[in-house]
Amino acid sequence: AQSVTQPDIHITVSEGASLELRCNYSYGATPYLFWYVQSPGQGLQLLLKYFSGDTLVQGIKGFEAEFKRSQSSFNLRKPSVHWSDAAEYFCAVGAGGGADGLTFGKGTHLIIQP
Amino acid sequence: NAGVMQNPRHLVRRRGQEARLRCSPMKGHSHVYWYRQLPEEGLKFMVYLQKENIIDESGMPKERFSAEFPKEGPSILRIQQVVRGDSAAYFCASSPSGAGLQETQYFGPGTRLLVL
Repeated sequence: AQSVTQPDIHITVSEGASLELRCNYSYGATPYLFWYVQSPGQGLQLLLKYFSGDTLVQGIKGFEAEFKRSQSSFNLRKPSVHWSDAAEYFCAVGAGGGADGLTFGKGTHLIIQP
Repeated sequence: NAGVMQNPRHLVRRRGQEARLRCSPMKGHSHVYWYRQLPEEGLKFMVYLQKENIIDESGMPKERFSAEFPKEGPSILRIQQVVRGDSAAYFCASSPSGAGLQETQYFGPGTRLLVL
């Protein structure tokens, strides 16, 4: 079965600084990988996804993520964060076939300092 | 195009009562997924349904929980005889045709269940 680890429970970044959120997955084949963002009291919004092809994926709101098979990682990056980026970020993996649903990490809470 | 709708947004039940959570998928979507989010945890997959069919319920607790997605109307997640441990946020997601995970799952705002 697949699993996802987000090693950082909380991350604090100054506004305007760069950001990297870590995600490691465990899965035997090439996984489907996702990053979602959740604002307080809200549902999840998809930031980006990777299925195949170019390992650097561009998403919404200026986010990008890079799939590194050798490290089993799919880290999320943003060159310059804004106060509105403060939220909970979830990495997720899917096994494909559509039937299993997604497996989520526990999330990283991003705090933006002024 | 309205997004995924869930109601109620907040639900309070006493131990032993029944909870019914409803999910209306996005227009044109015929596949629904239910997830549960416990405090300080990520989302856990519960069940995947098509209209009138349960495709995968591997994440559903064996007792007290059931789900349906009738031909007409919303998908329903039903929890019988709720216990305090059922307190969580329950999220519904939908996708157009379930043709693999290449199709994005769109999430609703969730129902926050509190069991007293």
